[in-house]
Amino acid sequence: AQSVTQLGSHVSVSEGALVLLRCNYSSSVPPYLFWYVQYPNQGLQLLLKYTTGATLVKGINGFEAEFKKSETSFHLTKPSAHMSDAAEYFCAVKGRGSTLGRLYFGRGTQLTVWP
Amino acid sequence: DTAVSQTPKYLVTQMGNDKSIKCEQNLGHDTMYWYKQDSKKFLKIMFSYNNKELIINETVPNRFSPKSPDKAHLNLHINSLELGDSAVYFCASSLTYSNTEAFFGQGTRLTVV
Repeated sequence: AQSVTQLGSHVSVSEGALVLLRCNYSSSVPPYLFWYVQYPNQGLQLLLKYTTGATLVKGINGFEAEFKKSETSFHLTKPSAHMSDAAEYFCAVKGRGSTLGRLYFGRGTQLTVWP
Repeated sequence: DTAVSQTPKYLVTQMGNDKSIKCEQNLGHDTMYWYKQDSKKFLKIMFSYNNKELIINETVPNRFSPKSPDKAHLNLHINSLELGDSAVYFCASSLTYSNTEAFFGQGTRLTVV
């Protein structure tokens, strides 16, 4: 079965600082991995995804993530935080095999950006 | 054009009532989903339809019944609403149900009083 752990339910950074949101996954097969962002009272928007190929993936709004199989990680980074990045971020893994089609979400990380 | 749209956005109702949430996608996707987000923001899949056929039915009370009249629509009907049903319900769609990402609607905040 697949599962996702997001370390840190809250992360605070200053504007212009590095953003690092951590995600570790559990999967018995090569995973399909996603990061979504949720702004207040809105739906989830896809930031980026990893399915196959290059392990460093770039997404929207300057975010990127690196798939590290040896560490079972898919951490999200952004070199310089902006006030508009304040939101809830969710890491997700898509089910394979008997759980095909399901997205398994982490508990989310609330990002606060201080001026 | 909104890709995945749900109505209503907010729904306040009394315990015991029956209510429906509608969802439509204009992306031409084959697969649609209902997810529930609880008060702690945890997201969990409830149902999935692929080409109008139910393919995922998680452990959800049978008071919840999805209906897919066609590939572009997936509605959720809830009977005998309970306080614990209060949550945000998200509709989503994906091109296929295998490796492709899901696109989410804006959510329906259901409050049962």
